[in-house]
This record gives sequence, C-alpha cells and structure tokens, in this order.
Amino acid sequence: LAKTTQPISMDSYEGQEVNITCSHNNIATNDYITWYQQFPSQGPRFIIQGYKTKVTNEVASLFIPADRKSSTLSLPRVSLSDTAVYYCLVVGLNNAGNMLTFGGGTRLMVKP
Amino acid sequence: GAGVSQTPSNKVTEKGKYVELRCDPISGHTALYWYRQSLGQGPEFLIYFQGTGAADDSGLPNDRFFAVRPEGSVSTLKIQRTERGDSAVYLCASSLPTSGTDTQYFGPGTRLTVL
Repeated sequence: LAKTTQPISMDSYEGQEVNITCSHNNIATNDYITWYQQFPSQGPRFIIQGYKTKVTNEVASLFIPADRKSSTLSLPRVSLSDTAVYYCLVVGLNNAGNMLTFGGGTRLMVKP
Repeated sequence: GAGVSQTPSNKVTEKGKYVELRCDPISGHTALYWYRQSLGQGPEFLIYFQGTGAADDSGLPNDRFFAVRPEGSVSTLKIQRTERGDSAVYLCASSLPTSGTDTQYFGPGTRLTVL
C-alpha cells in the first residue's frame, strides 16, 4: 500500500479551522484514504474515509484532488478537546482483513 | 453497544516473566487484530485473526509472542520471557471483514511495562 507523509505536529487555537495535509504519491486505483484520531491513553478512532473529491461528516471534511496523490483533513472550529494525534492511512478496497499501516501521525495541539 | 475491551489496562512485570493480555472484540466481528504502540509512534501490526485462525501473523516480532482465539471471539496475546523492549501499549481492534475499507474499532489498550 502507498506510504503516507504528513506533518509531525501542528498548533492551532480554539475556534480556528485546521487543515492537515497528507501526501500519498503511490496510491493505487482501489485504495481509499482513511483518517484516524487518537487521544492519549485511548486506541485510535475512525474519523473519515474517502476516495475522491469531498467527503463530509459530523466531525470533519476530507478533500481529495483529482490526482489523489494527496488529501486534506479539515476540522472546522476546533476546540481544546480536538487535541490529539491524527493518522492518515491508505487502505485497499479489495484487501479485506489487511492490517492498518500507521505512520507517525500529526500531533495537533489546540490552545485556548 | 459495547466496544472492544481489553484487560488488564496496565500490567507491570519483571524481565523474564510470562504475560497474557486479553481482548474482547465487538460481538459479531469475526476479524480481530493486535497492534503494538511504542511511545510517540503509530501502532504497528502484530497479528490478524479471521474467526479462530491466525490469517496473518507476519508482524509478530519473534517466537516469544503468540496469540490465540480458540472460539472465534475473545483473543489472548501471550508473551514469554518478557524483555524490557517489550514495554509498549498493546492494542486490539475488531472489524467486519467484508472489505479492506471496513472500519477497525480499537480497544483502549493494555500498557505493558517490563522492569
């Protein structure tokens, strides 16, 4: 599966919109982009997944350009409770049961 | 409904001892995964079960690590002759294995400390 690259850390302030970009240059046709969130002392939690263009749910939006070589997770109006590590992953549609391959993630710190 | 649960939440042991870590997946999830997470890093895959059988154990670091899932539900990760380098958080996840895009649901992890 495609390797992902994302910033190690980001700082933001409450109420701001946060955009975390991930690059996945070698993404394959049947691959999807998935983001997980992890709070301290908890396991990762699924946030959002997409294939192309834009996906939005109650937590975040995911923007994927036409070439799919990168993606951007957008968190609207962050609060202190959004401080966490965010992982960008590429998962294969046809690889049922395959493990998730996590990189180092992006540590988001939201300040008051 | 109930999520994935793991016990114990913390385990402190001495070098050379044997430990068992337990995972209770979400009811109905036939796929179960174990991951290991060291401080400041993302989780690393250890082993994947489909039902009772280990479908992929390529992530187990050596033969001191072993996992079972005898009835296709609860799983136990067993570590023999523990070493200080085994200290980490051990995470369990479960999912419905219908496609590669299925969400994996993680438990809170067991923090293992080997003194």
